[in-house]
Amino acid sequence: GQQLNQSPQSMFIQEGEDVSMNCTSSSIFNTWLWYKQDPGEGPVLLIALYKAGELTSNGRLTAQFGITRKDSFLNISASIPSDVGIYFCAGQVHTGKLIFGQGTTLQVKP
Amino acid sequence: NAGVTQTPKFQVLKTGQSMTLQCAQDMNHEYMSWYRQDPGMGLRLIHYSVGAGITDQGEVPNGYNVSRSTTEDFPLRLLSAAPSQTSVYFCASNNAGQLNTGELFFGEGSRLTVL
Repeated sequence: GQQLNQSPQSMFIQEGEDVSMNCTSSSIFNTWLWYKQDPGEGPVLLIALYKAGELTSNGRLTAQFGITRKDSFLNISASIPSDVGIYFCAGQVHTGKLIFGQGTTLQVKP
Repeated sequence: NAGVTQTPKFQVLKTGQSMTLQCAQDMNHEYMSWYRQDPGMGLRLIHYSVGAGITDQGEVPNGYNVSRSTTEDFPLRLLSAAPSQTSVYFCASNNAGQLNTGELFFGEGSRLTVL
């Protein structure tokens, strides 16, 4: 079946540092999405990417949809303590289903 | 709007017991789905529905049943719970008209422990 490989699995960084995480797949996706999950909550959409090569920013977040449509990355600049959480990439298949990566757990040291 | 509401938030079962996780959304969304979240495994799709009366299997459907008799409700049933079903379960919905946006709206999750 379709799988997404997300890395790194976890990160422990100092406040103010930049963060980068990525997702790769052997399958092509029409849409790539990045979600964040706060402790005890459900995931919330951060950024959605719809075109190969697309680069989109949302505040301190930047994400790109790979040219091959098989990968995506998310960057967070100047991290702050509230960035703590689990970040998931997700690929949408044509039927509308989302396939999620394994998640990247981010911890930020003040 | 309450969004996506899941009940119960916590549940402990013994092996072999049955139970139903409830999910309701008040956004008139056509698409609803159930995921389970396990450490290091991400979110895996169990079952989904594109509208009332229509359901389909996801990646890990075994041991779970669903039904969609109304647009609002999408319950997940465990007929005979097993320890391997210990997990956090999330219900999510999306308006099919906006389905290609990819934005699923998630509930807060139901943490299930099977002893």
